Amino acid sequence: GAGVSQTPSNKVTEKGKYVELRCDPISGHTALYWYRQSLGQGPEFLIYFQGTGAADDSGLPNDRFFAVRPEGSVSTLKIQRTERGDSAVYLCASSLNVGRGSGNNEQFFGPGTRLTVL
Amino acid sequence: AQSVTQLDSHVSVSEGTPVLLRCNYSSSYSPSLFWYVQHPNKGLQLLLKYTSAATLVKGINGFEAEFKKSETSFHLTKPSAHMSDAAEYFCVVSYGDSSYKLIFGSGTRLLVRP
Repeated sequence: GAGVSQTPSNKVTEKGKYVELRCDPISGHTALYWYRQSLGQGPEFLIYFQGTGAADDSGLPNDRFFAVRPEGSVSTLKIQRTERGDSAVYLCASSLNVGRGSGNNEQFFGPGTRLTVL
Repeated sequence: AQSVTQLDSHVSVSEGTPVLLRCNYSSSYSPSLFWYVQHPNKGLQLLLKYTSAATLVKGINGFEAEFKKSETSFHLTKPSAHMSDAAEYFCVVSYGDSSYKLIFGSGTRLLVRP
């Protein structure tokens, strides 16, 4: 497909387990973003990648959260020792470019992965 | 901290009547402002954006928003609601050198009555 895809669409896990969430951005998009949307709230920024590198990870809540993008395309968000408070919809977005004044920095969002920690 | 406030968590209108969704932002720097729509089980979609050009911004599906610096507002309007407009709407702001970091409001759920 032409849009951002995320897998799985739903993930149920137990407290203390490890999970990986995958994001496939739009082909050719150099910038990739992760957001977290808790119930009844707007999405909150977690991390953004420019190419393979994490240019800003200031939104990651703690060191249990980590994300990679080894080849500059697909990204994986990894959560260790999950807690019930991690339950949320995790959204991925991509853009052609990034940067102030760029005309190609519109972020296109995927449908999200709903994570439930029991 | 920079923020954006959506004044109504729910708005209900009848089909064919005007829509007004309210948004205010904090004003430390010149912002870029956006409205996104989220339909159930679908990704967020950009409706329109303001980036310091014309203060009245027209978007998709007949929506428009006006940037009012004196009021620090960016309210979303539509002259006539359709049933298909029922969704969650987010006002979003970004600033300066961190323009890639979208700051979302808490959302307004628009209900359209037949």
